[in-house]
Amino acid sequence: ETTLTQSPAFVSATPGDRVSISCTASQDIDDDVNWYRQKPGEAPVFLIQEATTLAPGIPPRFSGSGYGTDFALTISNIESEDAAYYFCLQHDNNPFTFGQGTKLEIK
Amino acid sequence: QVQLVESGGGVVQPGRSLRLSCAASGFSFTTYGMHWVRQAPGKGLEWVAMFSFNGGTTYYVDSVKGRFTMSRDISKTTLYLQMNNLRAEDSAVYYCAKDTSRCNSGTCYGMDVWGQGTTVTVSS
Repeated sequence: ETTLTQSPAFVSATPGDRVSISCTASQDIDDDVNWYRQKPGEAPVFLIQEATTLAPGIPPRFSGSGYGTDFALTISNIESEDAAYYFCLQHDNNPFTFGQGTKLEIK
Repeated sequence: QVQLVESGGGVVQPGRSLRLSCAASGFSFTTYGMHWVRQAPGKGLEWVAMFSFNGGTTYYVDSVKGRFTMSRDISKTTLYLQMNNLRAEDSAVYYCAKDTSRCNSGTCYGMDVWGQGTTVTVSS
């Protein structure tokens, strides 16, 4: 089973800042990582697929990078609406696994 | 538009059964793989089960193997999760989600559309 370790667990930012969230896999998973955003009481929203490809309808302020074991989600020009939890998912092997999540707070 | 609507959650005693439903619309139901994912209160997401586009491949997380069964009714474009012998640790919000691909032979590319979830509470 592939373990995904996200860091930091919590990050606080000011509107206009740039934030990066890390997701490290316990084994090589090529580029088989997706990123999601989830607000309290809501379903997750698809942000990034295959590590770097923006999902349809997601603004280019969001970007993904990485390959193998180290991945990152970067949010540029942060807006207040970006306050949420962010999760990475690996779909390289079964069972599919998620990172434990990163809470983004907007000051 | 693509829509997934879960139902069937509720409060159930340990050891009992529950069947969740996920009504799908807005896409070709037999063209994409489907997943169930759960989230325990205050916890992260946990993938539970996957069903390939033709139903030929099904995978489950170890903790539910032998207790949960995923199925579908094509005529109703509805996905099901039959949950037997429920435990307290199965308490969670259960989401159904559509994969971006067919999940052919179990090779999936991750979820793109999610339902709003249905809550299962296992308690005596």
